[in-house]
Amino acid sequence: SQQGEEDPQALSIQEGENATMNCSYKTSINNLQWYRQNSGRGLVHLILIRSNEREKHSGRLRVTLDTSKKSSSLLITASRAADTASYFCATANTGTASKLTFGTGTRLQVTL
Amino acid sequence: DAGVIQSPRHEVTEMGQEVTLRCKPISGHDYLFWYRQTMMRGLELLIYFNNNVPIDDSGMPEDRFSAKMPNASFSTLKIQPSEPRDSAVYFCASSFAWTSGIQYFGAGTRLSVL
Repeated sequence: SQQGEEDPQALSIQEGENATMNCSYKTSINNLQWYRQNSGRGLVHLILIRSNEREKHSGRLRVTLDTSKKSSSLLITASRAADTASYFCATANTGTASKLTFGTGTRLQVTL
Repeated sequence: DAGVIQSPRHEVTEMGQEVTLRCKPISGHDYLFWYRQTMMRGLELLIYFNNNVPIDDSGMPEDRFSAKMPNASFSTLKIQPSEPRDSAVYFCASSFAWTSGIQYFGAGTRLSVL
């Protein structure tokens, strides 16, 4: 079953703008991860944030985690056309850290 | 390492036929996962293995689906008999216990059952 629900389902922005995607989940987690999926390809891991962390950065990516609200956000700054893809959050729940539960995904379209 | 390798990339078959999907995980990884992705249901975990042993197969939709992992470098997902509603993209992923569950996905097998 899907634990993560992502918002929005779809997002269209222009190159250079920032894109923000949100993820909500239901149970206690060990960590939360974000993945990207280009059309017709497999998912690729982007960034991991542990349950005791509140913010993490990797290049143009910024992830926040609020365990009290059971939510996370992914910010992509200065977006590029190559960022066009679907983005999924995935939670590793407490006690089953190797198993991930994926959200429904946000489809991001970056136009020139 | 070449990453997770799945074969075939595309499979078209007729209803009632047996379908076998194959996966070679990344060398040294001790977890292997099979997922199914459709527009309607999103990404669903079907089954996963740890050290070649099935741990959780609660996502396998019905008895027509079976998965095996005879050794650390090979796994199969079999559908017999196949039905049109099995049409989907099937992904294999692997991970290493000491990397916090980060999973590495194959390119997927797009299955069409006519």
